[in-house]
Amino acid sequence: GAVVSQHPSWVICKSGTSVKIECRSLDFQATTMFWYRQFPKQSLMLMATSNEGSKATYEQGVEKDKFLINHASLTLSTLTVTSAHPEDSSFYICSAGGRVEGLAGGRQETQYFGPGTRLLVL
Amino acid sequence: DQQVKQNSPSLSVQEGRISILNCDYTNSMFDYFLWYKKYPAEGPTFLISISSIKDKNEDGRFTVFLNKSAKHLSLHIVPSQPGDSAVYFCAAATGGGNKLTFGTGTQLKVEL
Repeated sequence: GAVVSQHPSWVICKSGTSVKIECRSLDFQATTMFWYRQFPKQSLMLMATSNEGSKATYEQGVEKDKFLINHASLTLSTLTVTSAHPEDSSFYICSAGGRVEGLAGGRQETQYFGPGTRLLVL
Repeated sequence: DQQVKQNSPSLSVQEGRISILNCDYTNSMFDYFLWYKKYPAEGPTFLISISSIKDKNEDGRFTVFLNKSAKHLSLHIVPSQPGDSAVYFCAAATGGGNKLTFGTGTQLKVEL
């Protein structure tokens, strides 16, 4: 199956600093990538849709000036948390759209998820 | 407004038995549904999906059932194995697999 990587896997930073998270699709080209965040024991919440070569589309309630998204190539999208504060501490996950082969054959549309980045802001 | 709901936060099943995970949705525009498995500190892994034109899709030990009139879907795992222990998320989308709305997850524990 397709592989999506994220870097770093975890980061601890001081309040007020900016943190950049990279999301790469390793073996396929992704014109669209998605950024989610997950608080402990809660669902994954879509933050924004990242489109290659154009501006990201943010979900309601997500500050676009705080969570900067850049999708400069078909294999790389970055999320920068600017002036991070403790309330930004969360698990951030990216995904890229694609198709997957089922166990019994046939192809299904899905999203491939990265392993996630744990951000802790002190 | 939680458009996709998984009302059971946890489920415990014996090895070899069937695991049934349930999911309800409120948005009638959803036409594509997916199930993901997630381990702690990892990204979700795709399991199986179903389009709204079908009411059942089977893939190995996993079967998803969709009841559009009830806005309900379920994931059946049989036989359940200890390695199936994880958090299971259902997700819904309109017009294919983009822009997923996730449920709150169900922690499945398969006991020996």
